[in-house]
Amino acid sequence: QVHVVQSGAEVKKPGASVKVSCQASGYTFTDYNIHWVRQAPGQGLEWVGWIAPNSGATCFAQSFQGRVTMTRDTSITTVYMELSGLTSDDTGIYYCMPWFGERADSWGQGTLVTVSS
Amino acid sequence: QSALTQPASVSGSPGQSISISCTGTSSDVGGYNYVSWYQQHPDKAPKLIIYAVINRPSGVSNRFSGSKSGNTASLTISGLLAEDEADYYCSSYTSFTTRVFGTGTKVTVL
Repeated sequence: QVHVVQSGAEVKKPGASVKVSCQASGYTFTDYNIHWVRQAPGQGLEWVGWIAPNSGATCFAQSFQGRVTMTRDTSITTVYMELSGLTSDDTGIYYCMPWFGERADSWGQGTLVTVSS
Repeated sequence: QSALTQPASVSGSPGQSISISCTGTSSDVGGYNYVSWYQQHPDKAPKLIIYAVINRPSGVSNRFSGSKSGNTASLTISGLLAEDEADYYCSSYTSFTTRVFGTGTKVTVL
């Protein structure tokens, strides 16, 4: 079955960058886009963007454009999300998940990113 | 892209049916049959309960059902159980190939 594992929690200072990894298995990695979603403490879900593992094409929410980069390494079925220029507003849990058509039922466990001086 | 609009809270007694609305625009909810619903219990990752407006993933109770009319999608929970108490979020494909989530609804079982 599909399995999605993310990297561990991170603590960063304002202005720094963070890179979170997401390894997916149990399906053909290059066939489906992988999306990222953020949830700030006590807040709702916010869509960040997606990466197409076969081509490396990306698409980001307007609020993240210019600060987010998504890359992939198909040899280890892993995608990466890097967010730069961190502020306290970027504190939250970042989830990744493959999107099978319009079905996203295999979410990673989430990665807590804390931005604090 | 603005978040889809959901009621902040909905409540019901055990056994009752409740509905949660999710209102967008013709560029998202109204333009595509690609609305999903997620259930999130405290300190847990969201769980997909409805996709493509009306479809339930394997293992999801048939007490959950989805529908759409115009720019508004709805999730109905019938035969409300204590375990249904959670936060619920809708999401939709958009005309920019992006996705957008709803503002979230807290369901309370009285």
